[in-house]
Amino acid sequence: KAGVTQTPRYLIKTRGQQVTLSCSPISGHRSVSWYQQTPGQGLQFLFEYFSETQRNKGNFPGRFSGRQFSNSRSEMNVSTLELGDSALYLCASSRSGGEETQYFGPGTRLLVL
Amino acid sequence: KNEVEQSPQNLTAQEGEFITINCSYSVGISALHWLQQHPGGGIVSLFMLSSGKKKHGRLIATINIQEKHSSLHITASHPRDSAVYICAVFPNLYSGGGADGLTFGKGTHLIIQP
Repeated sequence: KAGVTQTPRYLIKTRGQQVTLSCSPISGHRSVSWYQQTPGQGLQFLFEYFSETQRNKGNFPGRFSGRQFSNSRSEMNVSTLELGDSALYLCASSRSGGEETQYFGPGTRLLVL
Repeated sequence: KNEVEQSPQNLTAQEGEFITINCSYSVGISALHWLQQHPGGGIVSLFMLSSGKKKHGRLIATINIQEKHSSLHITASHPRDSAVYICAVFPNLYSGGGADGLTFGKGTHLIIQP
């Protein structure tokens, strides 16, 4: 069974631009969660999608948004990029979400200049 | 606010040593996860615990719900165990845990020297 895939793997943007990251979950998994990892803050929860609905949201500004498609693939968008948005963005999938074991993708490393 | 504290932050040990990493949290939880992250970023889920103890190979994880504490043990440590180990908790909404998804500790950087 193929694992969680994320595209692109690396991205360089400039301040003020927007970016869209993509995540394809493991087949049969309907929950996709997104996380941001930075050296200063560590791993932080962004949001969770289940069956095309945002079920849970972390404490991030509205510039961070996401969506999920009917095939469970998910995208996250960051608008008006700031230098502090430079981070590793990870997605993880699970069958039903919530507390169950999540399977992580390799991440997208975003650098904002 | 849910806080997750890990100790130690950094640990260097010799091959073969018994390793213990600790995790404490502040609110009621539904589950606790131990994750392993290798250089380059890939994260692997090692254990999910809601009570008691689990063992997988040389890894053992325990949790004490009353004391809000969990430990990850590595027996007969090996250089390939060198990684960052991260504790994460999923809050219990009915115990005042909030609804913020997984909350993570800062991680323990483990280096096993041959």
